[in-house]
Amino acid sequence: GNSVTQMEGPVTLSEEAFLTINCTYTATGYPSLFWYVQYPGEGLQLLLKATKADDKGSNKGFEATYRKETTSFHLEKGSVQVSDSAVYFCALTNTGNQFYFGTGTSLTVIP
Amino acid sequence: DVKVTQSSRYLVKRTGEKVFLECVQDMDHENMFWYRQDPGLGLRLIYFSYDVKMKEKGDIPEGYSVSREKKERFSLILESASTNQTSMYLCASSPSKGGISYNEQFFGPGTRLTVL
Repeated sequence: GNSVTQMEGPVTLSEEAFLTINCTYTATGYPSLFWYVQYPGEGLQLLLKATKADDKGSNKGFEATYRKETTSFHLEKGSVQVSDSAVYFCALTNTGNQFYFGTGTSLTVIP
Repeated sequence: DVKVTQSSRYLVKRTGEKVFLECVQDMDHENMFWYRQDPGLGLRLIYFSYDVKMKEKGDIPEGYSVSREKKERFSLILESASTNQTSMYLCASSPSKGGISYNEQFFGPGTRLTVL
């Protein structure tokens, strides 16, 4: 079946620190992979996506590379800001109809 | 910009009440979804719909039903609310599958439902 596993939080970092949030997946076929972000009191927003192996998604300084050999899609950012404090969800879809989400990783960035 | 709106941000209901949560999207998307979000459990799919009057059960449909009479509107119904249905409910929409590039979902702001 399809599933997503992401690292447990919460994660607390100082401003300008390097961020990695791990995500691994199990899927049949060739899924598309996504990172969503949820700011306090809001719904989820797409942060970045990758649709095939070795693709790199990037947005707002965040990056993630679709690694088929390790079934991973780790989220990274070189220098986090206080405004990056949010909950991050890794997700996949095989069909475009049904999506599978990880449990979310809460990030707090302190000044 | 795609806009997905939900009828209420906060809702308080009593046990046994019938509850309607409404979701409207303005981008002519074929697919619509209802999730509930709980701490430590992430998002769990309740129902989804890929066309008007069509619905499919997700992972946790028990205690819920849905209605999609128009393409832009997808309603979630709690027939008889219970305290274990206290949660954040998120609606999403997406365009239909096209080619090999699967499309993202667009989310509404969520409805935080409390059942007393």
